[in-house]
Amino acid sequence: AQSVTQLGSHVSVSEGALVLLRCNYSSSVPPYLFWYVQYPNQGLQLLLKYTSAATLVKGINGFEAEFKKSETSFHLTKPSAHMSDAAEYFCSVSDPGTASKLTFGTGTRLQVTL
Amino acid sequence: KAGVTQTPRYLIKTRGQQVTLSCSPISGHRSVSWYQQTPGQGLQFLFEYFSETQRNKGNFPGRFSGRQFSNSRSEMNVSTLELGDSALYLCASTTLTGSHEQYFGPGTRLTVT
Repeated sequence: AQSVTQLGSHVSVSEGALVLLRCNYSSSVPPYLFWYVQYPNQGLQLLLKYTSAATLVKGINGFEAEFKKSETSFHLTKPSAHMSDAAEYFCSVSDPGTASKLTFGTGTRLQVTL
Repeated sequence: KAGVTQTPRYLIKTRGQQVTLSCSPISGHRSVSWYQQTPGQGLQFLFEYFSETQRNKGNFPGRFSGRQFSNSRSEMNVSTLELGDSALYLCASTTLTGSHEQYFGPGTRLTVT
């Protein structure tokens, strides 16, 4: 069975500061990993994905994540936070055999302050 | 290309009733997955349909069912509604090629009173 752990249900950063959202996964097979963002009263928007190609993945809106197999981690970063980044972020995992079945972490709410 | 659409966006039902939610995938996408999102349980996979067949199923009771039509549109049905079924129901479609990323609709907010 696969699982995802997101450390920190709430993260607060100042505008312009580094954003770091943590995600650790458990999977018995090489996984596909995804980060999604959810704004209030909206669905999920894909930020970036890892599917066994480059370990450093760049996504939309300046976000990137690095796949570290030895640490079973897939942390999300952004060098400089913007007020518009305030949202809830979800890390998710699937295995290539059942790629349409995503297992999600519990989410991290990012607050950006002036 | 139009995104994933879900109807209705908001729904209020009474305990014991049944409800049907609809999802239209992105054109060309043949796989549709459904998820339930609640504050307590988070995002949970319900089921996936591909070519009108249920291919994967999550751990939900039989009151939750779905189907897919030949044009890939999907519906999910919840019978004998319970208060705990109040949730945001999200539909996602994917091409099942390449990286298998899923594209989500805006969701249907179901409130059971």
